[in-house]
Amino acid sequence: NAGVTQTPKFQVLKTGQSMTLQCAQDMNHNSMYWYRQDPGMGLRLIYYSASEGTTDKGEVPNGYNVSRLNKREFSLRLESAAPSQTSVYFCASRDRGNTGELFFGEGSRLTVL
Amino acid sequence: DAKTTQPPSMDCAEGRAANLPCNHSTISGNEYVYWYRQIHSQGPQYIIHGLKNNETNEMASLIITEDRKSSTLILPHATLRDTAVYYCIVRVGGSGYALNFGKGTSLLVTP
Repeated sequence: NAGVTQTPKFQVLKTGQSMTLQCAQDMNHNSMYWYRQDPGMGLRLIYYSASEGTTDKGEVPNGYNVSRLNKREFSLRLESAAPSQTSVYFCASRDRGNTGELFFGEGSRLTVL
Repeated sequence: DAKTTQPPSMDCAEGRAANLPCNHSTISGNEYVYWYRQIHSQGPQYIIHGLKNNETNEMASLIITEDRKSSTLILPHATLRDTAVYYCIVRVGGSGYALNFGKGTSLLVTP
């Protein structure tokens, strides 16, 4: 039981390049989330998907797109990377109900030069 | 969702109780109080949550005031491994509602 798996774990991009961060969960959770964390800061929500087939913007959606490919997978795409998108990206998932327990992946460290 | 206020940092001696406060004076009746922590650069970890009543689990206790405007997370016997950033989040329950993390409280447990 892997939980939440993110790939890649590390990536270096040049300004203007595009890339997709992949996230998959094997817990049959309905909701999935993408956060970013900059040095010394808390996590900020980029996009989330409350259920398969739906996506919603979070606090900092500009420069990103998402796809909820199926119940297991939720990808985050940077179409034209900028240095301001250098960050650690965390994917999380959550089941129905009020428990509130988010399960996080190990993070993907992205550097944009 | 209600905003929360936490001290930016706290210290605690190993073996003592760590009491982390959180103010949420604008909390609504249907909003829960959630606590998470983040150790170093790992993904955050769920600790506990509550609505009105005090809650306890194997990790911690959550004390919510009667007016629900503040709460305290208690780690009864802090260890060095409890050094982390602790986030207090107030949000309506249900998986369709995303949790917004602030800057949290950086807890340092010292020998």
